[in-house]
Amino acid sequence: QVHLVQSGAVVKKPGASVNVSCTASGYTFTSYYMHWVRQAPGQGLEWMGMINPGGGFTNVAQKLQGRVTMTRDTSTSTVYLELSSLTSEDTAVYFCARAVIMRSGFDIWGQGTLVTVSS
Amino acid sequence: DVQLTQSPSTLSASVGERVTITCRASQSINRWLAWYQQKPGKAPTLLISEASSLESGVPSRFSGSGSGTEFTLTISSLQPDDFATYYCQQYNSYSPYNFGQGTKVEIK
Repeated sequence: QVHLVQSGAVVKKPGASVNVSCTASGYTFTSYYMHWVRQAPGQGLEWMGMINPGGGFTNVAQKLQGRVTMTRDTSTSTVYLELSSLTSEDTAVYFCARAVIMRSGFDIWGQGTLVTVSS
Repeated sequence: DVQLTQSPSTLSASVGERVTITCRASQSINRWLAWYQQKPGKAPTLLISEASSLESGVPSRFSGSGSGTEFTLTISSLQPDDFATYYCQQYNSYSPYNFGQGTKVEIK
C-alpha cells in the first residue's frame, strides 16, 4: 500500500526554522513528484512548492521564495521541508502530497504536521 | 497567476439532493483541474482529475465537467458521508498550483 508518513507536531518560536519530513512507502520514490501544501487554522489550502525526488529539482511558490527549502533523501525515500524566519502566520498544518507528473492532481497525501509558532 | 473562485462558499443541502459546486478560473486552464474532498482534521482526498476523470474508488454519484474557465462538481444524490469541504485546484500553470477557497457542504 502507498503511504506518506509525516513527522510529528512541533512548536517553534518566532524567528526560528522548522523542518518537516515526509517518508514514502509502497511505490518508487523517484518516479513521482512531491508537493507541499499548508492549511492555516480554519482556512483553505495553500500550495507551497514541489520537488522532483528523482533529480532534486524544486519549484517554490513566489511568496515563500527565500524562506522555503525542499530536499530529498533517496536512500530513505524521504522529502524534507524547511521553513525559516517563522512568524505566527506560519502556524498551520503542513501536508506532503504525491503527484504522478507535473501536470496532475495530488493522489496520495500525508497525514499532516501541525506547526505552531508561538512565543 | 491563475485565480480560482468557487461558488457558493457554503451550501446547505439534504440527504438525497443533487448538489452542484462551480469553480471559475481567471484565465483558461484547458481541462487541467482537480477536485478534492476534505473532512475536518483530515488530509484532502482526490476525487476528480482532468476536470472529469473520476479517481479509482470514488463513488459514481460524483462527477465533474467543464473546460477553459468554468467547471462544475456535481453530487447526484447527497449522502451522509459527503458532508465536507470541497476544493478545486488548477495545474495548467506549474506555479502556483492554486486552489479555490473551498465550498463547505452542510446538512440542511
